[in-house]
Amino acid sequence: DAEITQSPRHKITETGRQVTLACHQTWNHNNMFWYRQDLGHGLRLIHYSYGVQDTNKGEVSDGYSVSRSNTEDLPLTLESAASSQTSVYFCASSQGGIEKLFFGSGTQLSVL
Amino acid sequence: TQLLEQSPQFLSIQEGENLTVYCNSSSVFSSLQWYRQEPGEGPVLLVTVVTGGEVKKLKRLTFQFGDARKDSSLHITAAQPGDTGLYLCAGVRSGTYKYIFGTGTRLKVLA
Repeated sequence: DAEITQSPRHKITETGRQVTLACHQTWNHNNMFWYRQDLGHGLRLIHYSYGVQDTNKGEVSDGYSVSRSNTEDLPLTLESAASSQTSVYFCASSQGGIEKLFFGSGTQLSVL
Repeated sequence: TQLLEQSPQFLSIQEGENLTVYCNSSSVFSSLQWYRQEPGEGPVLLVTVVTGGEVKKLKRLTFQFGDARKDSSLHITAAQPGDTGLYLCAGVRSGTYKYIFGTGTRLKVLA
């Protein structure tokens, strides 16, 4: 069955370190998204991609970057982790239009 | 700035009660979706509404899209403990495939 997987599920890092969160989908979807989830804010869009070599900034993109070298993967990099980036991160994909989003199970990131 | 505001933020009710969750915005959306999220998992789609004034029913859940496509509501009849979870609305603005999520409503239904 097609799926979307995130790794790791849990990550603890130190302030200033570079961290990369992986997202891999086997739906062959063009659109992929990264969100962070914090209490009282729902899900906030960090970056998104409409296809290979395409990346776009979302609402809260400062301090984050993504790259899309193939259809299946959209890794999220925190260039220099900050305590304010402690959060739960979700990756999602969709075929397009008003199709539903398929979510991964999330990565709990703690920056100490 | 959060484009979609949900209310209430938290709701704790007894089994069998009815409830309504609201999702409001000053922006117009081409479509609006509702998701439910369980602890430790990603959100799962419940419904998509695309036409102003549209009403969709999913068993005991009734979803409505506002006439002006700026707001939506979710009504649950005779809530059950299995309805417990985080409910999120998400809007897609015309000309984009970008999903903007609301602030979320955490529902707890007590047996």
